[in-house]
Amino acid sequence: GAVVSQHPSWVICKSGTSVKIECRSLDFQATTMFWYRQFPKQSLMLMATSNEGSKATYEQGVEKDKFLINHASLTLSTLTVTSAHPEDSSFYICSALGAGTGGNTIYFGEGSWLTVV
Amino acid sequence: AQSVAQPEDQVNVAEGNPLTVKCTYSVSGNPYLFWYVQYPNRGLQFLLKYITGDNLVKGSYGFEAEFNKSQTSFHLKKPSALVSDSALYFCAVRDRGSTLGRLYFGRGTQLTVWP
Repeated sequence: GAVVSQHPSWVICKSGTSVKIECRSLDFQATTMFWYRQFPKQSLMLMATSNEGSKATYEQGVEKDKFLINHASLTLSTLTVTSAHPEDSSFYICSALGAGTGGNTIYFGEGSWLTVV
Repeated sequence: AQSVAQPEDQVNVAEGNPLTVKCTYSVSGNPYLFWYVQYPNRGLQFLLKYITGDNLVKGSYGFEAEFNKSQTSFHLKKPSALVSDSALYFCAVRDRGSTLGRLYFGRGTQLTVWP
């Protein structure tokens, strides 16, 4: 299947700082990327949908100024958690849809654990 | 509105026995249906999908799923479970007519296979 790479896998940052997570589609062009947040033993919560070259569409209740999403190219999307606080600690997962995925299968990255101390 | 139900939080089976993880959905139109598996501290891995055609879909690692339109179900099955199948399983649907491609997930079912 198609490969989605997410980096870093683990990150610890101090409260008040910002941290960036990258999501790359390695063998296909991702026209759409999705960012999720997952709490332990729970399902995925969609945060936002991003299309290459346009502004991300955020889900209700997600602060767009806190969770900055950029989808500058067909292979890269980034999530920046600004002014992070301990309650932002979570598992963040990206996924991608695009040409080369059969047109209808969405592939996921390996996830990024964020711990804010 | 789209919704996916996985009625069981936990499924426990003995190794070698058949397993079933249930999924029902409520969507408008004919959706695409998916199963994903998540191992601890990992992202989601694609297992299989139903798009059209044969109602029985075969996927990775010996898993299969049966699409039942009248019951709006897409249960995941495997004839003989392995301990290594122990993981969190998610059923998901996608609106066939959506250009955004958003997936709607069930809450997940934790499968534990006992040796």
